[in-house]
Amino acid sequence: NAGVTQTPKFRVLKTGQSMTLLCAQDMNHEYMYWYRQDPGMGLRLIHYSVGEGTTAKGEVPDGYNVSRLKKQNFLLGLESAAPSQTSVYFCASIRDAPYGDTEAFFGQGTRLTVV
Amino acid sequence: GEDVEQSLFLSVREGDSSVINCTYTDSSSTYLYWYKQEPGAGLQLLTYIFSNMDMKQDQRLTVLLNKKDKHLSLRIADTQTGDSAIYFCAEKGTDSWGKFQFGAGTQVVVTP
Repeated sequence: NAGVTQTPKFRVLKTGQSMTLLCAQDMNHEYMYWYRQDPGMGLRLIHYSVGEGTTAKGEVPDGYNVSRLKKQNFLLGLESAAPSQTSVYFCASIRDAPYGDTEAFFGQGTRLTVV
Repeated sequence: GEDVEQSLFLSVREGDSSVINCTYTDSSSTYLYWYKQEPGAGLQLLTYIFSNMDMKQDQRLTVLLNKKDKHLSLRIADTQTGDSAIYFCAEKGTDSWGKFQFGAGTQVVVTP
């Protein structure tokens, strides 16, 4: 009964380093999303995927890349981390009916600090 | 573009009612949601309302929707210390590929 699992939960990076955040869901959901949460700004959509092998840009995609090679996994990559990417990152997934009373299931978040 | 706005902070005494307000701009919104985030945790769905409804009640929670004014509110009756959290209003349109537009969140602090 895991739902949506994010790894790692915490990470400190130096400016210029790269890393990948992993999101895994075991609910067979088609749609997956990466958000970042910053104080006073709520959640902003970085990238999303509407199915295996697909990705699309959200509201704040610059500096991030994503891949959805397997339906259950959605990876978020930072190629060259910047202090402006210090944030809490949330992954979410929904079942394959975006027009209905869709509940989004969220992971626990990854707290990333770039120094 | 779409925009969802909420007040950032609310303090309420234990046992009183809390009312959290939200305004949105996207008239094509079909569903409006309230999510709760406890410290160090992800967001958890509290309740939602379909855009053709005015009110929805679920135990201690009452959601009111004024579609004309694009105003959504969440009332928590008999507020408890366990209700202390950040509450996010979110909306989803018909062509949003499941994307949610979130407000900035309202920090609710319940005092004894």
